[in-house]
Amino acid sequence: DSGVTQTPKHLITATGQRVTLRCSPRSGDLSVYWYQQSLDQGLQFLIQYYNGEERAKGNILERFSAQQFPDLHSELNLSSLELGDSALYFCASSAKIRVSYNEQFFGPGTRLTVL
Amino acid sequence: AQKITQTQPGMFVQEKEAVTLDCTYDTSDQSYGLFWYKQPSSGEMIFLIYQGSYDEQNATEGRYSLNFQKARKSANLVISASQLGDSAMYFCAMSDPAGGTSYGKLTFGQGTILTVHP
Repeated sequence: DSGVTQTPKHLITATGQRVTLRCSPRSGDLSVYWYQQSLDQGLQFLIQYYNGEERAKGNILERFSAQQFPDLHSELNLSSLELGDSALYFCASSAKIRVSYNEQFFGPGTRLTVL
Repeated sequence: AQKITQTQPGMFVQEKEAVTLDCTYDTSDQSYGLFWYKQPSSGEMIFLIYQGSYDEQNATEGRYSLNFQKARKSANLVISASQLGDSAMYFCAMSDPAGGTSYGKLTFGQGTILTVHP
């Protein structure tokens, strides 16, 4: 158990809908990363928050947004869903920003299926 | 931009044998981190081992070791004494400096599926 929790574990919805994925980082971790894993794109970085502020953006669609709350949990909002958004969405957290590396602990993921 | 290449889509190994999973990387950064993660069929991502670009010795964690060859830009994972439970997808990943523009995000390779035969 990494200490990172994600809910829900599975989500099935229809095209055009909006969903919210939730992540609680390990206790004390200030940094939250979101990744998407799909068969065609592999594992891709979406967005990162550090202590409530957005720090880095990757290949995140405009239909997707995220935020980190004062209690450090984070939510990833996916709207106008398309079939291609079906994927495993991971949240990862890390304790602090170091100079050379940033060990990240991954949650169990949310498997999103868009029908 | 950083890039990770894993050229072995699948690997097979006999139980108790050693296996090497290949990983090459490309970056213009002088400071970076290299990671290996294991993803079993259940889907979770399990951190295995880390190597910093300035570390002179190869990293080891139990049965896992990372063969780091900086000049060749390779960071191969060696698993010794393979076990049936090692059957999984293995990802090589790279992190830019946390002080850099991407604040330590991970860039992943495409993964290698390892199958351990009894």
